[in-house]
Amino acid sequence: AQKITQTQPGMFVQEKEAVTLDCTYDTSDPSYGLFWYKQPSSGEMIFLIYQGSYDQQNATEGRYSLNFQKARKSANLVISASQLGDSAMYFCAMREGGTGGFKTIFGAGTRLFVKA
Amino acid sequence: EADIYQTPRYLVIGTGKKITLECSQTMGHDKMYWYQQDPGMELHLIHYSYGVNSTEKGDLSSESTVSRIRTEHFPLTLESARPSHTSQYLCASSESTVSSSYNEQFFGPGTRLTVL
Repeated sequence: AQKITQTQPGMFVQEKEAVTLDCTYDTSDPSYGLFWYKQPSSGEMIFLIYQGSYDQQNATEGRYSLNFQKARKSANLVISASQLGDSAMYFCAMREGGTGGFKTIFGAGTRLFVKA
Repeated sequence: EADIYQTPRYLVIGTGKKITLECSQTMGHDKMYWYQQDPGMELHLIHYSYGVNSTEKGDLSSESTVSRIRTEHFPLTLESARPSHTSQYLCASSESTVSSSYNEQFFGPGTRLTVL
């Protein structure tokens, strides 16, 4: 069964510094996708970055990068040069690519606090 | 920017009332989803749809029902609201492609429901 684990309920980071949010996953499907979403206090979910299980390189999107370690089944999100507006909940998610595999499961989330 | 809408954004209602939460998307996506999320907690899939006239229950048991008569519209109904239904409800949609693991979900702004 697929599973997502985020072990950091809360994280603090100083403005302009980098921060890593941890995510580990479990699946038996060789084809899967990993996603990170940001949820500000307003409640909407904002897509940040995607990594496919067959992608050779780590995904990057602006200040966001995904540290994908397939053998360890980890997909950590790295935010460089943190900004005050990065304070939010961050969810790691996974979708299997096999039959019926369009359901996405989400981790419990990590709340990030950026300090001025 | 995603074109997916939810109304109402906030709803406070008494126990026993029937309510319908609206969700519409203008992207022509076949797949649509409803998630339930308590504040600061993970998302739980309660309903999903592959397309018109297709609906399935998600991983979290819910007393709500859904319908998909038109591609763009995926309303969720509670026949008799109870305080235990107090939560945020997020609607999402995604494309259908060969590689189903790739497609990000676009989320609506959510409906915050309070049942007194």
